[in-house]
Amino acid sequence: AQSVAQPEDQVNVAEGNPLTVKCTYSVSGNPYLFWYVQYPNRGLQFLLKYITGDNLVKGSYGFEAEFNKSQTSFHLKKPSALVSDSALYFCAVRDTDRGSTLGRLYFGRGTQLTVWP
Amino acid sequence: DTAVSQTPKYLVTQMGNDKSIKCEQNLGHDTMYWYKQDSKKFLKIMFSYNNKELIINETVPNRFSPKSPDKAHLNLHINSLELGDSAVYFCASSQDRGQGANVLTFGAGSRLTVL
Repeated sequence: AQSVAQPEDQVNVAEGNPLTVKCTYSVSGNPYLFWYVQYPNRGLQFLLKYITGDNLVKGSYGFEAEFNKSQTSFHLKKPSALVSDSALYFCAVRDTDRGSTLGRLYFGRGTQLTVWP
Repeated sequence: DTAVSQTPKYLVTQMGNDKSIKCEQNLGHDTMYWYKQDSKKFLKIMFSYNNKELIINETVPNRFSPKSPDKAHLNLHINSLELGDSAVYFCASSQDRGQGANVLTFGAGSRLTVL
């Protein structure tokens, strides 16, 4: 069964400091991994994805994530946080065991990031 | 210019009523989805349609019925609304192939409150 865990409900960081939002996953085959961000009263927006290739993936707004197969992790990082990064972040994994592009996307429970000035 | 648009944005109704939420995407995507986000922000897929065909139907009460008149539209009808149906419902779409494959584009959500 596919699943995603985001172990922290909340992450607080000062503006200008590096941030990390953690994600671990469990899949039966090779994972497709994603990060999405949700601002208040808005839909989710895609940030970045890992399908194959380089383990370090760069995405929107200066975010990046590192795929670590041995630790089954896909942590989201940013070298220098901004107050405007404050939002709810979701990690997601796609079910690929049927080899279809139409598999389900399983979301983690979300991590609320607060960046204080 | 909105890519995935849902109506209404807010819906307040009494228990037992029937209501619909509409979704349209102008991205030319082949697959559309309905997700439910509960009060704790947990997101769960409900349905997925590919080219008007139902391909994912999670364990959802049969009071919920999706309808896809064409591949640009996916509507959600809910019968006999219950208090527990209160949530934000998100429509999303994705393309099947190419660089954008597997990436979901979400609508802004429809907040349903059942009294």
